[in-house]
Amino acid sequence: GQQLNQSPQSMFIQEGEDVSMNCTSSSIFNTWLWYKQEPGEGPVLLIALYKAGELTSNGRLTAQFGITRKDSFLNISASIPSDVGIYFCAGLSLNFGNEKLTFGTGTRLTIIP
Amino acid sequence: DTGVSQNPRHKITKRGQNVTFRCDPISEHNRLYWYRQTLGQGPEFLTYFQNEAQLEKSRLLSDRFSAERPKGSFSTLEIQRTEQGDSAMYLCASSPENTEAFFGQGTRLTVV
Repeated sequence: GQQLNQSPQSMFIQEGEDVSMNCTSSSIFNTWLWYKQEPGEGPVLLIALYKAGELTSNGRLTAQFGITRKDSFLNISASIPSDVGIYFCAGLSLNFGNEKLTFGTGTRLTIIP
Repeated sequence: DTGVSQNPRHKITKRGQNVTFRCDPISEHNRLYWYRQTLGQGPEFLTYFQNEAQLEKSRLLSDRFSAERPKGSFSTLEIQRTEQGDSAMYLCASSPENTEAFFGQGTRLTVV
């Protein structure tokens, strides 16, 4: 199935550093969502974006809905050990018959002690 | 409401056996999705329901797979004649219409 392009694939950072990741698509989406997944668990919703250009924060997390509606960005400021996990973007189309979440390939975040 | 609930959490089965998973969505969420996730990949769409109607099925969903949501509440996903390639995490999510989806903890299937 289709998956969105997410980069970087993995990141190794030190505690306290800021993190940036992005997601691109060849298709337009009406909604962008960002999830975090830990081993053996389901994805947990972090941020939802509904309008092109929208910038939304959730604590140390900030995400943006790209102007073209084909991309989105997630930033994490001042990373802490519990930020470790895999981050997925997901786009939602509202086209009839295609109303499902399409996921990115994931960014694995590791914090170096 | 405690969120989306999936049962069982883990299932080990022999090749050729049938398995059934259950998903209880967040109450009043009329949309329910099934996804499959293999190691190192993002979740891949299998099918979704709007209330009791199954509106879309992925080509990933072979004829050995069937999903139901008989009363528009809980859903079941059945895999018949399991194969080793079916080993994966099966995720269920629910949402109010066309907004953010909330996932369950998943059912990890291992076919031996």
